[in-house]
Amino acid sequence: AQSVTQPDIHITVSEGASLELRCNYSYGATPYLFWYVQSPGQGLQLLLKYFSGDTLVQGIKGFEAEFKRSQSSFNLRKPSVHWSDAAEYFCAVGARSSYKLIFGSGTRLLVRP
Amino acid sequence: DTGVSQNPRHKITKRGQNVTFRCDPISEHNRLYWYRQTLGQGPEFLTYFQNEAQLEKSRLLSDRFSAERPKGSFSTLEIQRTEQGDSAMYLCASSLNSGSLDGYTFGSGTRLTVV
Repeated sequence: AQSVTQPDIHITVSEGASLELRCNYSYGATPYLFWYVQSPGQGLQLLLKYFSGDTLVQGIKGFEAEFKRSQSSFNLRKPSVHWSDAAEYFCAVGARSSYKLIFGSGTRLLVRP
Repeated sequence: DTGVSQNPRHKITKRGQNVTFRCDPISEHNRLYWYRQTLGQGPEFLTYFQNEAQLEKSRLLSDRFSAERPKGSFSTLEIQRTEQGDSAMYLCASSLNSGSLDGYTFGSGTRLTVV
């Protein structure tokens, strides 16, 4: 079955510290992978995506993610977190031939001042 | 281009009432999608339109739910005889026909509360 697992429901980091949010997927076809961010009461904003090529992808707001096929993972990282990064983060997977996204259950990021 | 627009932003309704939400996609996008997001969960796919044709409906979409996209422009999602379990954020997204997962753009959603 196709699925996305985000094992951390909540993560708290201090401002200025580094961040890694985990994402594991199970998908039969070659996956297209995405990270979205959602602020309270808002829609989803795309941070970055991986379709093919370089397995380290850069996104907006200083985020990056690395695709590791052998581990079925697509972890999101940021070297120095800002208070404005506090939000909920969703990993999603799709296929080139598809139009549907399958989302994980999200990780809520809290930032300590 | 103002992105994907959804109205209303919030809706509170009594159980048993009907509600309708509207989504205006990005003008050149011919694909439109509805997702539902319950508290503490990621969005789940509900249905998909290519132009005015509804091409897929999830099993999550019971027969109390109906979606339309007349003339391939805006879309409406109607829920009849609402139940408390319908309380959720309803998200709309749109994309171009080719490479549809590239350029998938979400609206800000309509939050439904059924009391």
